[in-house]
Amino acid sequence: SQQGEEDPQALSIQEGENATMNCSYKTSINNLQWYRQNSGRGLVHLILIRSNEREKHSGRLRVTLDTSKKSSSLLITASRAADTASYFCATADNYGQNFVFGPGTRLSVLP
Amino acid sequence: DTEVTQTPKHLVMGMTNKKSLKCEQHMGHRAMYWYKQKAKKPPELMFVYSYEKLSINESVPSRFSPECPNSSLLNLHLHALQPEDSALYLCASSQIPDGGKSPLHFGNGTRLTVT
Repeated sequence: SQQGEEDPQALSIQEGENATMNCSYKTSINNLQWYRQNSGRGLVHLILIRSNEREKHSGRLRVTLDTSKKSSSLLITASRAADTASYFCATADNYGQNFVFGPGTRLSVLP
Repeated sequence: DTEVTQTPKHLVMGMTNKKSLKCEQHMGHRAMYWYKQKAKKPPELMFVYSYEKLSINESVPSRFSPECPNSSLLNLHLHALQPEDSALYLCASSQIPDGGKSPLHFGNGTRLTVT
């Protein structure tokens, strides 16, 4: 299995602070993706980073990828209460069919 | 609003019932997925359809039967379920199976309760 592992499992911060979530995976990957899930809803794609990229930005999101350590991190800057959600990393096999999700980090941003 | 539509939003069924979950997308995606998600857990892959053909079955019990009538529709037929099958069932699609280069687009799921 190339399932990712996230840490921390739960994170509680104040509005305006930065939130960092980490993901580790086991096997070689082509790409790694991050998703957000609001309670009881579907997952929303946030950002995709390719295996030959080291860092990627999208708005207040910054993702890093270290293939030598098989790990990735997601940084959310200047967090807002609306960022409260679960965040999952996902990796896909070479055929891109078997997307496997890590256990997720539950982020709570307190106003 | 999501571009992947799942119906019904909620479903309560007895262990002897037969019901179906439906999923529809009109983005021209050729890969469609069923995931099962228990509370506070990540989604677990059940089935993948690639170009309307079943390409992955993650050892799912036969009481779950997927069907892909055309490139826009995906069904999950349920029969003789157990209470432990209660979960959020998520449908997703992606452009094509392309090494994870395309993101998954998820519906908002069907919350299934088996009594």
